[in-house]
Amino acid sequence: QVQLQESGPGLVKPSQTLSLTCSVSGGSISSGYYYWSWIRQHPGKGLEWIGYIYYNGRTYYNPSLKNRVTISVDTSKNQFSLKVSSVTAADTAVYYCAREPQLDPGGVDPWGQGTLVTVSS
Amino acid sequence: DIQMTQSPSSLSASVGDRVTIACRASQSINSYLNWYQQKPGKAPILLISAASSLQSGVPSRFSGSGSGTDFTLTISSLQPEDFATYYCHQSYTTPRTFGQGTKLEIK
Repeated sequence: QVQLQESGPGLVKPSQTLSLTCSVSGGSISSGYYYWSWIRQHPGKGLEWIGYIYYNGRTYYNPSLKNRVTISVDTSKNQFSLKVSSVTAADTAVYYCAREPQLDPGGVDPWGQGTLVTVSS
Repeated sequence: DIQMTQSPSSLSASVGDRVTIACRASQSINSYLNWYQQKPGKAPILLISAASSLQSGVPSRFSGSGSGTDFTLTISSLQPEDFATYYCHQSYTTPRTFGQGTKLEIK
């Protein structure tokens, strides 16, 4: 079964760029059936969709994050990545990577375990 | 953006109770509605997709219904492990959006 695992720094300074990678095992990102997603959850709050990427590099982002977000894919490593630039304390959150079916009206499954990123000097 | 509104925001119930959580979309999303369960410190788990399709391994006491703008998640007989926060989520269009969550607590 497919498993996802986030990795990256747990502490980022204000105004810098947050960078996370999601490693996918048990299945290929290049299969073409799924979007590969990033979702975050502020401490004690609800879930916020950041965006997703298709294996060919096509991306969809949440406009609320304006132009600060970049999602990329490395099919050779079976990984996809998230960058959030110009971070502030409001970007402190648990960041999840996850998978969503491209064509079927299915939900997000599975999810990575999540990684807490704190923005602080 | 499509706004997803859950009610109630919190709910106290007892083991064995039947519980219903509602989710309303700000516009029609057909049946592109999913439900998740999240326990503290854990990632959400997909319970139901496409409004009423129970995921493999999810107990049959969970069920979903609805289409268009109004949806419900029902737990027919609450078990101790069901006390958690539940989220609805629309996968009809981008940006994807989630309800604010319903925290189900033990009475």
